[in-house]
Amino acid sequence: GAVVSQHPSRVICKSGTSVKIECRSLDFQATTMFWYRQFPKQSLMLMATSNEGSKATYEQGVEKDKFLINHASLTLSTLTVTSAHPEDSSFYICSANRDNANEKLFFGSGTQLSVL
Amino acid sequence: DAKTTQPPSMDCAEGRAANLPCNHSTISGNEYVYWYRQIHSQGPQYIIHGLKNNETNEMASLIITEDRKSSTLILPHATLRDTAVYYCIVSPTGANSKLTFGKGITLSVRP
Repeated sequence: GAVVSQHPSRVICKSGTSVKIECRSLDFQATTMFWYRQFPKQSLMLMATSNEGSKATYEQGVEKDKFLINHASLTLSTLTVTSAHPEDSSFYICSANRDNANEKLFFGSGTQLSVL
Repeated sequence: DAKTTQPPSMDCAEGRAANLPCNHSTISGNEYVYWYRQIHSQGPQYIIHGLKNNETNEMASLIITEDRKSSTLILPHATLRDTAVYYCIVSPTGANSKLTFGKGITLSVRP
């Protein structure tokens, strides 16, 4: 079946540093990928829609200059948390829809970000 | 806002069927009912989806009422590994169809 690989699975960083998270579709092309954030004991919240070759579409309340998204190829989207602060500590999850399938999303295993 | 409502939690005995209800009274004609589950500290996993007919796959069955205002996910023989948060979501299909997650229902399978 289709696989979405997300790296790293866990990262600890100091406040003020930037962290890049990668999301790859391993055996299919994905024109569109989605980035979610999940705080403890809460549901997933959509942050942005990543579109290959164009700018990402951010949900209301999500700072586009803080959460930089790059979707440079049909199999890779990256989320960079710039100048991370403790309140950015969260579980970040990406997902992808297989082109020409249009039926379901495949999710990465998530990245646990802890900002000290 | 999520367009579905689910009970916060339920439990069932291992080996028995788990019937997870979901209300989606404002579902639109072009929206499908999707079920995903999330095991602790992992990404969500697709289970099943349907439009109006009942669906069955190797994981579960989906029963959708005739008026499409509610549905039930059935895990026929629950195991301990089925303990997870189950999300019922309504969404049109399509590459740009983003999923809006509600709070889901926490299923606890007891030995």
